[in-house]
Order: sequence, then structure tokens, then C-alpha cells
Amino acid sequence: GQQLNQSPQSMFIQEGEDVSMNCTSSSIFNTWLWYKQDPGEGPVLLIALYKAGELTSNGRLTAQFGITRKDSFLNISASIPSDVGIYFCAGIGTSYGKLTFGQGTILTVHP
Amino acid sequence: GAGVSQTPSNKVTEKGKYVELRCDPISGHTALYWYRQSLGQGPEFLIYFQGTGAADDSGLPNDRFFAVRPEGSVSTLKIQRTERGDSAVYLCASSPRQGSGYTFGSGTRLTVV
Repeated sequence: GQQLNQSPQSMFIQEGEDVSMNCTSSSIFNTWLWYKQDPGEGPVLLIALYKAGELTSNGRLTAQFGITRKDSFLNISASIPSDVGIYFCAGIGTSYGKLTFGQGTILTVHP
Repeated sequence: GAGVSQTPSNKVTEKGKYVELRCDPISGHTALYWYRQSLGQGPEFLIYFQGTGAADDSGLPNDRFFAVRPEGSVSTLKIQRTERGDSAVYLCASSPRQGSGYTFGSGTRLTVV
């Protein structure tokens, strides 16, 4: 099925560094979401974006809904070891109940 | 309950057998969703329910897959004549209304041997 193009696939960083990841799509989305998934668990919502151009923060996390509605990025500032996990972007298009996910970014934080 | 509950957490079945996976959504959530996640991939949409009816089942891969939600609460995903390629984690989510406030369960890991 269709998936968003998410990059990078993986990141290895030192504690305290900032992290940036992004998603692009050939289709327009009306909502962009960013999730974190820990092993053996379901994805947990981090940030939701509802309007093109919107910039939203949640603690050390900042995400933006691209002006073209075809992309989004997530920044994590001052990373800590518990940021380790897999981060997914997801978009909602014209079918309100259907999320289309990216392939995920695996984040490893070295103390 | 406090969260979305999925049972069983793990299921191993033989090729060709029938399986049922259960999802108990958060009480009062009218929308319920099923996704499938293969190793190293993001979840892929299967079907979602608004109340008792399937509002979008475009993600079901073929007619071996079927899902029901007869009373608008608990849902069961049914897979007939399982194949090894059906092995994946099946995730369920619910929300108070469609398109927002998703909460995912921990999933059922299905292994077809």
C-alpha cells in the first residue's frame, strides 16, 4: 500500500544533540501526525498538525505542516536516552479514518 | 477500560488455519481502526468502523480478511486460510470520532508457520 517517504531511516546521535526528521508525499494530506513506537507497543501520538504552515511544539518536540500540504518535519531538541525508539509520520487525506504512515525513523541516543 | 485492549498478544497458527483477533476499544469511542505492521515498516491501514458499520475497508488485502463490530464496541478481525505472508503485528486503534484522537493498542503478533 501507499506509504509516505520518511527520512532518515535511522539516526545515531549523542545525548544532548538536536534531531530532525521529515516526511514527503506525492499526495496532499489534510492532517499530519507524528508518533513514537517503543518495542512491543502501539504507536503513541506526539504531535498533531491540522493546518498548512502550522508550527506546533510539545516540550522538546517541534513539528511543522508544510505549506504545500505534502510534507512535514519533526525536530527533537536536546535529546535524552528515553527518546530512543521508532518515530513515524502519518497523514490523513480525504478518508477521515485512514492514516497513511511513513516507514519510520529509528533513533538511537548514546549517553 | 483505560486503553485499547487487544487479545491475544501473541498467536501462532499453522498455515491454512482460521484465526480471530479481538479488539476492545476505549469505552465511548465510536470509531475503531485495524492496521497491520510488518517488520521494519510503518502500520498499513486495513479497515475502519464508525459505529457498527465499516466506513472504509479499502485496505483489506483480499477476501480472506474480514472484520466485524456488531454492537459498535468490540471488534474482531477474522483471517481465513492463513498464509505465511499474513505474519505481522495487527494493531487496533479507537477514537472518540473519526479522524482524530487515535489511541492504539499494543497489537497482536500473528505468526503463521
